[in-house]
Amino acid sequence: AQSVTQLGSHVSVSEGALVLLRCNYSSSVPPYLFWYVQYPNQGLQLLLKYTSAATLVKGINGFEAEFKKSETSFHLTKPSAHMSDAAEYFCAVSNQAGTALIFGKGTTLSVSS
Amino acid sequence: DTAVSQTPKYLVTQMGNDKSIKCEQNLGHDTMYWYKQDSKKFLKIMFSYNNKELIINETVPNRFSPKSPDKAHLNLHINSLELGDSAVYFCASSQDSGKVYTFGSGTRLTVV
Repeated sequence: AQSVTQLGSHVSVSEGALVLLRCNYSSSVPPYLFWYVQYPNQGLQLLLKYTSAATLVKGINGFEAEFKKSETSFHLTKPSAHMSDAAEYFCAVSNQAGTALIFGKGTTLSVSS
Repeated sequence: DTAVSQTPKYLVTQMGNDKSIKCEQNLGHDTMYWYKQDSKKFLKIMFSYNNKELIINETVPNRFSPKSPDKAHLNLHINSLELGDSAVYFCASSQDSGKVYTFGSGTRLTVV
């Protein structure tokens, strides 16, 4: 069964520093992988997705993620953090049948000035 | 033009009551979902409907009953509400066999 594991429930960075949020997946078939962001008291917004095209995926707000099959990873990065990036980030994988999205437990990103 | 809209946004109710949450999508997607986000922000799928047919029904108490009158709507009815039902409930829809998912803005249910 498909699953994702997000390493680190809380990541803190300084404004301007590199953001790295880790996600590893488990899948018996080529996966579709997603990163979503949730700002306080808001819904889920799609940052980016991997659906078997280019392994380096660029998303909104300067985020990108690289699909590495050998490492079963799909880590999210941003070169320079901004205060407005403080939010909850979720990695997710589509299940084998494509009938549901399975989420990781989320990583809270804090950005300090 | 909200793609996936849920009503109400907030719902406060007493234990034992019955309540419904409505969801509508105008994207033409063929699959709709209900997710529950608990106090630790963990998102778990509850139900999935494809063209009005139930395809996923996770281990959810049978007090929760989804209803899909057509493929653009998926409502969630909850009987005999309990304190533990307090959570944020998200509706979502998808297309292209799992390549595109769009979420509503959530309904925050508080049972007192």
